[in-house]
Amino acid sequence: AQTVTQSQPEMSVQEAETVTLSCTYDTSESDYYLFWYKQPPSRQMILVIRQEAYKQQNATENRFSVNFQKAAKSFSLKISDSQLGDAAMYFCAPNAGGTSYGKLTFGQGTILTVHP
Amino acid sequence: DTGVSQDPRHKITKRGQNVTFRCDPISEHNRLYWYRQTLGQGPEFLTYFQNEAQLEKSRLLSDRFSAERPKGSFSTLEIQRTEQGDSAMYLCASSSGVEQFFGPGTRLTVL
Repeated sequence: AQTVTQSQPEMSVQEAETVTLSCTYDTSESDYYLFWYKQPPSRQMILVIRQEAYKQQNATENRFSVNFQKAAKSFSLKISDSQLGDAAMYFCAPNAGGTSYGKLTFGQGTILTVHP
Repeated sequence: DTGVSQDPRHKITKRGQNVTFRCDPISEHNRLYWYRQTLGQGPEFLTYFQNEAQLEKSRLLSDRFSAERPKGSFSTLEIQRTEQGDSAMYLCASSSGVEQFFGPGTRLTVL
């Protein structure tokens, strides 16, 4: 079974500044993907960024990047040049392989507040 | 493509009643997932379909819960004899590859 820990229930950042959200996980899978999803208040979940576990290079998507440490099972999200629209609940989620293909295990989430 | 849709968006019911939710995935997505999310928590996996076959059910899915995906298109999630502990957001997601696309969810309130 997979477990995911997001140790920061809440984080805040000033507009245009940088913030890092942390995530650690445990999995017995050898090949998997890791995702960060964003859930704005009363709006649906959308994908922010994904990382393939077999790739050593950290994924980057515009202002969003990850620091993936496979041996440490750590997967943090860095948001640069934060914008008011980044305010949301952020979830870290590895997926499962085998017959559970694609099943996501979510962390508890981190609420991000962006101050103007 | 209009994305994943769910109906209804909100449902209020009395304890003991049965409720049914519908999910329409993105067309041609062969995989469909149901998750449950309680307030302030991350979603928890309930069940998963590949085409019309239900391949996995979480132990969270008690005998009162049943899901179907006839013909591998839309899916329904039924909860029988609802309890107050069933109050949550029920999320549906679909995929044809690695990324899952989520619907807006159905918020269930059991009085």
